[in-house]
Amino acid sequence: DTVLTQSPALAVSPGERVTISCRASESVSTLMHWYQQKPGQQPTLLIYLASNLESGVPARFSGSGSGTDFTLTIDPVEADDTATYYCQQSWNDWTFGGGTKLELK
Amino acid sequence: QIQLVQSGPELKKPGESLKISCKASGYTFTDYAMQWVKQAPGKGLQYMGWINTQTGKPTYADDFKERFVFSLETSASTAYLQINNLKNEDTATYFCARRTLRRVFDYWGQGVMVTVSS
Repeated sequence: DTVLTQSPALAVSPGERVTISCRASESVSTLMHWYQQKPGQQPTLLIYLASNLESGVPARFSGSGSGTDFTLTIDPVEADDTATYYCQQSWNDWTFGGGTKLELK
Repeated sequence: QIQLVQSGPELKKPGESLKISCKASGYTFTDYAMQWVKQAPGKGLQYMGWINTQTGKPTYADDFKERFVFSLETSASTAYLQINNLKNEDTATYFCARRTLRRVFDYWGQGVMVTVSS
């Protein structure tokens, strides 16, 4: 299985820039996607194929990376961005990272 | 608009079975595969597998090859997840999600909370 590793939590102030990282145990090319999940809700797709913004998602969100190292950037962060963010690879079946909980100071 | 609407919460005892549904609307059901994802309380997302909505063939992730069954009622644009011989560790929220040709999950159901307790 391809294992995805994310840092567990981050705390930032509104208006700041935040980067959330995801490292894969093997190369997944650009078959990496990012989801946002707010408490009590289903996940929603933010970024697909490493850097493509899903329709309707604010341009404050962006993604980059290839191979084994990927980042999701939110700039600037808003209060509504409080959520857990998951990376997901689709190179070798599908697996999710453990999630990064983003809190606002 | 595209929607995946799942059935309601379930409370079951160990050893029992359950079947939850995921009804799709707003698109042609057989054009997209359906995925299933588990989320235990306070935990992350765990991929369970998928079902080919054209052929009905299921594919299970390693942890879900026993006791779990994916099925379809194509005429009703509905996918099902059945869990047999329920265990306490099956307590979780179960999501269905539509998969695109880009291999990404673009629409999700609202989730079904399943509680297994004696």
